[in-house]
Amino acid sequence: GENVEQHPSTLSVQEGDSAVIKCTYSDSASNYFPWYKQELGKGPQLIIDIRSNVGEKKDQRIAVTLNKTAKHFSLHITETQPEDSAVYFCAAGGSNYQLIWGAGTKLIIKP
Amino acid sequence: DSGVTQTPKHLITATGQRVTLRCSPRSGDLSVYWYQQSLDQGLQFLIQYYNGEERAKGNILERFSAQQFPDLHSELNLSSLELGDSALYFCASSVEGGPSYNEQFFGPGTRLTVL
Repeated sequence: GENVEQHPSTLSVQEGDSAVIKCTYSDSASNYFPWYKQELGKGPQLIIDIRSNVGEKKDQRIAVTLNKTAKHFSLHITETQPEDSAVYFCAAGGSNYQLIWGAGTKLIIKP
Repeated sequence: DSGVTQTPKHLITATGQRVTLRCSPRSGDLSVYWYQQSLDQGLQFLIQYYNGEERAKGNILERFSAQQFPDLHSELNLSSLELGDSALYFCASSVEGGPSYNEQFFGPGTRLTVL
């Protein structure tokens, strides 16, 4: 069946450095790619999303890139801050009303 | 605050029992989604309802069932509970639920502990 692979499972970066999380999807019909951030004790929250007619999207320190040929997309966080510490989930949505979720990446920002 | 409410916040019960988790979506949202998150695990999609009808099904066990009522609130019923059912259960809602996709707003979750 369809799946989304997310790497790495844990990422530790120095405060101020950049962080990159990568996801690969299997369903070539996927056309919607959101990223959610889950802080400790809370539900996930959408931070950025991209649709298949766009290759890159930026929102301040966060950017997402999409390569439809290779079927992968990435989340880039620049100038990381302590409040960026959280679990990040990628997902891919196709034509069947269902998002397929990655396994999550725990991002640790070291002071 | 996402606008999605879930009750109860915590639930402790014994194996073999049955529980009901409740979710109220954001005002105006027609779709409700249920997810299970075990300790240090990812989000497992269980089921989606759109305007009262089942829209998509994920890895939902036969012991679990859900429904969405005319006022759009939803309930997830878990029966014959096992130790492995202990998890956080999230409800999310969105305006629609079709292929165009919309942001899902997650509730704070219900933590279920099965002893």
